[in-house]
Amino acid sequence: TQLLEQSPQFLSIQEGENLTVYCNSSSVFSSLQWYRQEPGEGPVLLVTVVTGGEVKKLKRLTFQFGDARKDSSLHITAAQPGDTGLYLCAGGDTNAGKSTFGDGTTLTVKP
Amino acid sequence: GAVVSQHPSRVICKSGTSVKIECRSLDFQATTMFWYRQFPKQSLMLMATSNEGSKATYEQGVEKDKFLINHASLTLSTLTVTSAHPEDSSFYICSASITDRNQPQHFGDGTRLSIL
Repeated sequence: TQLLEQSPQFLSIQEGENLTVYCNSSSVFSSLQWYRQEPGEGPVLLVTVVTGGEVKKLKRLTFQFGDARKDSSLHITAAQPGDTGLYLCAGGDTNAGKSTFGDGTTLTVKP
Repeated sequence: GAVVSQHPSRVICKSGTSVKIECRSLDFQATTMFWYRQFPKQSLMLMATSNEGSKATYEQGVEKDKFLINHASLTLSTLTVTSAHPEDSSFYICSASITDRNQPQHFGDGTRLSIL
């Protein structure tokens, strides 16, 4: 069974601060996705990374896939209240045909 | 982008009622759909994988006779919670993907099920 450990579980910061969320595993994934979910809604895909060492930027968000494709990080620069939500990482397993989800990071950005 | 529609968004019903939730891929053919359950402030818990034209694969601990899944076409999967009880109250979310290496899942907006 593949496991994804996500940290921190909860994060509360002030507007303008930077933060990093980590997603770690002992397993290799064919791809890794980051999602953001707001209460009462489904997760929304932010990014997919597939190549070891890959870095993708989405405005103030920077995503990195580890060289060994076992871990990933999400860095947010100058966080805004609109960034508040549950962030989920998910590792793709081609053999199993499904994804493994991390436990999630609940981010609160205070104005 | 890929759009997944889930209906209804909210259900409130009496104990013993069976509830059907629909998941549709609107602009792509989904060979695989997934059904998740989510508790407040927690991550997604995979219940079952639904493949078009074949029986669903249930995760350990999920009762297949309780949670009936039908994937009759490439754009529609349904989850029926049979004889629902208060402990079945939860947020149920479906997702769909094209079976291809590295294709992400696209999620519906979820169904809030409340059993009285």
